[in-house]
Amino acid sequence: DTAVSQTPKYLVTQMGNDKSIKCEQNLGHDTMYWYKQDSKKFLKIMFSYNNKELIINETVPNRFSPKSPDKAHLNLHINSLELGDSAVYFCASSQGDSPGYEQYFGPGTRLTVT
Amino acid sequence: GNSVTQMEGPVTLSEEAFLTINCTYTATGYPSLFWYVQYPGEGLQLLLKATKADDKGSNKGFEATYRKETTSFHLEKGSVQVSDSAVYFCALGTSGTYKYIFGTGTRLKVLA
Repeated sequence: DTAVSQTPKYLVTQMGNDKSIKCEQNLGHDTMYWYKQDSKKFLKIMFSYNNKELIINETVPNRFSPKSPDKAHLNLHINSLELGDSAVYFCASSQGDSPGYEQYFGPGTRLTVT
Repeated sequence: GNSVTQMEGPVTLSEEAFLTINCTYTATGYPSLFWYVQYPGEGLQLLLKATKADDKGSNKGFEATYRKETTSFHLEKGSVQVSDSAVYFCALGTSGTYKYIFGTGTRLKVLA
């Protein structure tokens, strides 16, 4: 049983296209996140949702739009893809906002924009 | 604001060597501290955590102690194995922020 799953695992597309990445967690967690990891492994938070409400939006271009249809799902849609969007995108979830709760990460989606 | 600083890598060690990866933090209040590990091609997974001062987290032979006086949470292992080769991230979480701050990651390479 995969706790946090993402699809697709790999995504290769051309500049200007629109693409989506899906994330699902079966842990019953209230909070979900999207992170971007660059080629140097630096991990940057993009969005956080708690009970389907947007909590954090970290100066991400508005070409990126998260959507949470329910507590178990958090999808990421990217419009007009640019070369700089190439990265690995991780979805994560946690039980709530208590600082003691760990985050559970998905396997990542490697996005390559050509 | 809150921040995490960890030593730059890569760290290259021989099998059975002693490992220390330094992590220091800046935070208001009383954060929880974590070490996550990322194996090649995978997502991050929790290695250990500590939620209050003087707590020691431990797992798979790794240890880290929450030191409030030095604002540190250094990761140690007495004898590393080739299978420990990975990227290690120090992180902190503070109440009410819904946000965890991650360090830049330290790549560890263990040679047989």
